Amino acid sequence: EADIYQTPRYLVIGTGKKITLECSQTMGHDKMYWYQQDPGMELHLIHYSYGVNSTEKGDLSSESTVSRIRTEHFPLTLESARPSHTSQYLCASGRVKLFFGSGTQLSVL
Amino acid sequence: AQSVTQPDIHITVSEGASLELRCNYSYGATPYLFWYVQSPGQGLQLLLKYFSGDTLVQGIKGFEAEFKRSQSSFNLRKPSVHWSDAAEYFCAVGAGIQGAQKLVFGQGTRLTINP
Repeated sequence: EADIYQTPRYLVIGTGKKITLECSQTMGHDKMYWYQQDPGMELHLIHYSYGVNSTEKGDLSSESTVSRIRTEHFPLTLESARPSHTSQYLCASGRVKLFFGSGTQLSVL
Repeated sequence: AQSVTQPDIHITVSEGASLELRCNYSYGATPYLFWYVQSPGQGLQLLLKYFSGDTLVQGIKGFEAEFKRSQSSFNLRKPSVHWSDAAEYFCAVGAGIQGAQKLVFGQGTRLTINP
């Protein structure tokens, strides 16, 4: 069983709100990732981190930002949510074998 | 840049029948190849992976996959499917960059099992 947790599981929010999606892992992994997944579509890497104080943008451009102050924590923030941000966001950790959280389904009205 | 194509968006098979899910990749070097499964409302779980060596790899839940370099394929197979195998299956190719395993995923194949 993977020890990686995402909260909230579902989030419905109005346009313009600031939101933070939480991701935590207890496996001590240095490398963590955020993927975005639209229904019926592939996952796209939007952010990744090699370790504390290291973050990089992924292949898919995203208006979200991330931080990595602690090894176990990799939150994703949207300063001003828009309907185009509606999607599922999956957090993962690991070096070769990735462990995925259950995801956050974000709906922006 | 690497890419992955899963030609079949949706496949339906009967319980007990054999299964093959197709995956084609594009990558200039020797790829790291993965199959993940996603059950409804869940995150992804790794089924199996190929890095090097034996081109036929065994995974969990009775799945196997064969790497064919000449065809740039990494098809997933199972001899006899169970109703619990109904899920979304993703093929992915990875390239290690500075130690980070950046995976590129295919579009996924949704598997439906008929009783």
